[in-house]
Amino acid sequence: DADVTQTPRNRITKTGKRIMLECSQTKGHDRMYWYRQDPGLGLQLIYYSFDVKDINKGEISDGYSVSRQAQAKFSLSLESAIPNQTALYFCATSESGTGALNTGELFFGEGSRLTVL
Amino acid sequence: AQRVTQPEKLLSVFKGAPVELKCNYSYSGSPELFWYVQYSRQRLQLLLRHISRESIKGFTADLNKGETSFHLKKPFAQEEDSAMYYCALSNQGGKLIFGQGTELSVKP
Repeated sequence: DADVTQTPRNRITKTGKRIMLECSQTKGHDRMYWYRQDPGLGLQLIYYSFDVKDINKGEISDGYSVSRQAQAKFSLSLESAIPNQTALYFCATSESGTGALNTGELFFGEGSRLTVL
Repeated sequence: AQRVTQPEKLLSVFKGAPVELKCNYSYSGSPELFWYVQYSRQRLQLLLRHISRESIKGFTADLNKGETSFHLKKPFAQEEDSAMYYCALSNQGGKLIFGQGTELSVKP
């Protein structure tokens, strides 16, 4: 089955360390997203990419960077992790298209739980 | 500013009771609204979208532009409906903005 895969699934690190979360997909979708989930805050968009050459900041991009290495791969980096970046991170994909063609359906990975001590 | 608000963090009902999960939004254009659901140990997935006017697993949601609401309703809750529910809005740029989420607990 076509899928969205995130690695690592769990990571514990220390303040100041560089961390990379990776996402790969076999759905053939052009659009990819990174969200973080915090209790009481829901999902907040960090970065999104509508194709390989397109990178856009979301609601909470400070402290994060991304790389779209290929249509199928979208990585999220924390250059110098801090404790308030402890969260559950989700990668998602969707088909391209706007207006009536944009169904709005995102396909999510299983999440990467990051703990920064 | 685009915003989605779900005022209830937790909603607890008994099996067979009606359930309504509230969602309000602010958006200057024509919104496209969705409900996503995350069952225990499963991925977040689309439940329904307003443009389809569909009923999924007995849930319906009506877009009320006057009240800027998109509440999710089900007349008779089942235990398997227990999950985290997120309301989401799609803007003209094609990205989804999510609300804070409501945890629904259906007790036997």
